[in-house]
Amino acid sequence: EVQLVESGGGLVQPGGSLRLSCAASGFTFSSYWMHWVRQAPGKGLVWVSRVNSGGSSTSYADSVKGRFTISRDNAKNTLYLQMNSLRDEDTAVYYCVRHTSSWYGWFDPWGQGTLVTVSS
Amino acid sequence: ETVMTQSPATLSVSPGERATLSCRASQSVSSNLAWYQQKPGQAPRLLIYGASTRATGIPARFSGSGSGTEFTLTISSLQSEDFAVYYCQQYNNWPPWTFGQGTKVEIK
Repeated sequence: EVQLVESGGGLVQPGGSLRLSCAASGFTFSSYWMHWVRQAPGKGLVWVSRVNSGGSSTSYADSVKGRFTISRDNAKNTLYLQMNSLRDEDTAVYYCVRHTSSWYGWFDPWGQGTLVTVSS
Repeated sequence: ETVMTQSPATLSVSPGERATLSCRASQSVSSNLAWYQQKPGQAPRLLIYGASTRATGIPARFSGSGSGTEFTLTISSLQSEDFAVYYCQQYNNWPPWTFGQGTKVEIK
């Protein structure tokens, strides 16, 4: 069974840092692009970042560029999101998502999400 | 950036009735469009990809259509488990990958 399990969320003060992890299982992790998508409380889905299968190519939403860093460890089947200079507006549930195998790929499956709360 | 606009924001439907949800892209996304279902407290689940292909395990009452800039998700006969929020997403013009704001399907 394909499974994605996020961890690392919690309460952090504005300006602080947090690192999210996503443990993947049930598929060949090193063959897939991966993404982070977030959802603020009561709001819609917003794409945050993407990394290619080898980790050499990344993309970011303008709202997090320069503050967040996506990375992966294919030996550990784990995806990461390092979040620095956190702002109130970064408060959200963060989902780890697999990109399907094609260049034009949809998102499937989704992890259960981890909540990040930025507040003083 | 390709902006995705869904309508209506909320759709009130009785069980057994048909529901039609719309999604419009600000520029062509070809057929590179997906639909997701999200229930309260749960992660989104893939329903449709390629504008019209049902994902594994998705019931036949869910169907998608459209190409270019206009897309539709139809639920032919609403079941109790179908009341949820539905999002469209384009994966043609990236980055960024963009979602619509969602349509909530509620019980009438």
